[in-house]
Order: sequence, then structure tokens, then C-alpha cells
Amino acid sequence: DTEVTQTPKHLVMGMTNKKSLKCEQHMGHRAMYWYKQKAKKPPELMFVYSYEKLSINESVPSRFSPECPNSSLLNLHLHALQPEDSALYLCASSQDHRGQGNIQYFGAGTRLSVL
Amino acid sequence: AQSVAQPEDQVNVAEGNPLTVKCTYSVSGNPYLFWYVQYPNRGLQFLLKYITGDNLVKGSYGFEAEFNKSQTSFHLKKPSALVSDSALYFCAVRDIREAGTALIFGKGTTLSVSS
Repeated sequence: DTEVTQTPKHLVMGMTNKKSLKCEQHMGHRAMYWYKQKAKKPPELMFVYSYEKLSINESVPSRFSPECPNSSLLNLHLHALQPEDSALYLCASSQDHRGQGNIQYFGAGTRLSVL
Repeated sequence: AQSVAQPEDQVNVAEGNPLTVKCTYSVSGNPYLFWYVQYPNRGLQFLLKYITGDNLVKGSYGFEAEFNKSQTSFHLKKPSALVSDSALYFCAVRDIREAGTALIFGKGTTLSVSS
């Protein structure tokens, strides 16, 4: 099973709202990733967690706050977003974050609209 | 810095004909290359990877890719295209950093297979 589950599938929020995106995997992977993808564009890396610790933050604005409560779960907390933050948010996991041949498995994404 | 380039925004092919989606890379050190496919409103699905060894890599759904070191290319191929292969294809390279590794994606190529 190579499934990464993301919830919700769709989210509409106002600029003053607080919401969270959730990602779950049960493959025993120890690296998890958040990507942002605009329509017809490649995914852009936001955060990497390795063994539940944040290892890479691609200078993402603080209105995005990641959290890794355990090795199977990854959250992305959203607060005071801007309309330009509307995008597909993808979660991925891999065996670890240093293995150069490790495959990243992606979830179906959460489509976020900020009004 | 590691990078990949996909020179074609769109590739059109008739069903049953062979298809090629092009990718060139620029890396320091050994290249670790990947192909992913994305269907509308879905996450990315892993197709195949090149780490080392045979220059012809076989992957999922009948796809294969040819690694060419002298031309720094990693083109995706399929002998006989299906309408269901129509999707957005991304080439990616492993970016090795002090804090870990990440994937750098090309801009993507839309494949359209007509019946």
C-alpha cells in the first residue's frame, strides 16, 4: 500500500479564518513533505519533516505553520491567508529524506480557495 | 544547483503511436532522476526513476525512460500511446542539501493522446 491520505479534499476559507490541512500515511515512512501547486505548474516545496523534526523550510510565510505530531501524521495550519495562497496543497512521504533514490509518494491534495 | 528542463509545453500524439516526452538535466555529481504523472485534480503518481545502472529504465503503465549521459537527457517513452495516458508529466531531479534531499520539478509537459 502506497497511500497518502489528505483531508479535506476541498477547502474554502476567508482571509481571517484559521484552518488546518491533514495528511496521513501508514507506510512507516520517516520523511514527510508539503508542496504548493498552482494550476498547470510544478509543485513547489514548502516544508520537509524528517523523523518528526522540521528539516527544510523553504522560506515559507509564517501564516503557514506545519506540525508533525507523530511519524504518520502531518498537519499544515493556516491563518490569515491571502487570495494568492489559493492552490492545490500536496503532501508526500518517503522512506527517509536522505536516501537519494527514495521515492516520494503523493496524496491527492487539498484544493484551497481563499476568499 | 540541480535543475531539469522540459522543453515542450504540450505533446500531441495519436493513439497507438509511440510517444516521447523530453527532459534534460543539469546536476553537479551523479543525477537521480524521476518521472511523475498527474491526472486532473489528482496528486502526482510515480512512474519510474534512474539512480544508476542500465540506461533504459522500465516503469509503470508501460512507460520507460532512456538516460543519456552525453546529452544530459532523460526522455520518457512509450511504444504505443493510449487515450488514458493523456495527463501532465513532470520530470524531477533529486536536490541534495545539507539538511536533506528534495525534489526539483521541471515545468511539466501536457500529453494529449487523440483517438
